[in-house]
Amino acid sequence: DSGVTQTPKHLITATGQRVTLRCSPRSGDLSVYWYQQSLDQGLQFLIQYYNGEERAKGNILERFSAQQFPDLHSELNLSSLELGDSALYFCASSVAPKIGTNNSPLHFGNGTRLTVT
Amino acid sequence: LAKTTQPISMDSYEGQEVNITCSHNNIATNDYITWYQQFPSQGPRFIIQGYKTKVKNEVASLFIPADRKSSTLSLPRVSLSDTAVYYCLVGFSMDTGRRALTFGSGTRLQVQP
Repeated sequence: DSGVTQTPKHLITATGQRVTLRCSPRSGDLSVYWYQQSLDQGLQFLIQYYNGEERAKGNILERFSAQQFPDLHSELNLSSLELGDSALYFCASSVAPKIGTNNSPLHFGNGTRLTVT
Repeated sequence: LAKTTQPISMDSYEGQEVNITCSHNNIATNDYITWYQQFPSQGPRFIIQGYKTKVKNEVASLFIPADRKSSTLSLPRVSLSDTAVYYCLVGFSMDTGRRALTFGSGTRLQVQP
């Protein structure tokens, strides 16, 4: 158990809809990262937050947004959903104040599987 | 964006040593190299992390040359349960001045009896 909790585990919705994915980081971790993994694809970095502030943006669409709350949990909002948004969405957390710095690996949750029909 | 390159797939047999190499030419000076293992429909799991030379833990070794432009994950005596996708992860600097973490494309390791 990584200590990172993601809800819901599964989500099925229709095109054009909006959904919210939730992540609770490991106790003590201040950084939260969101990744998207489509079928047979690698992990695509979407966005990172540290202690409530956005730290880095990757390949995140404008239809997607995220935030980190004072209690450090994070939410990823996906709107105007398209079929191609069907994927596994992973959240990871780390204690590091800066991305990729010393000895602070990412700890991943087990993801939310989003199916857009 | 910086890019990491790994072999797409590798095959091995139980009991053999497996070495997976990742190229990361644009790794940032202060960044560590981290390797993860992922089983289907699960989140990646941390295996090992290093900065330079050699690191070893109870499940793997990591070899990093002096120029740090590549790294090699070594799995001793693999078993069927080591069948998974293995990713290397490095940091890189984005045009915005901020930095992000990017995964390689992953290496699908298939271990056969």
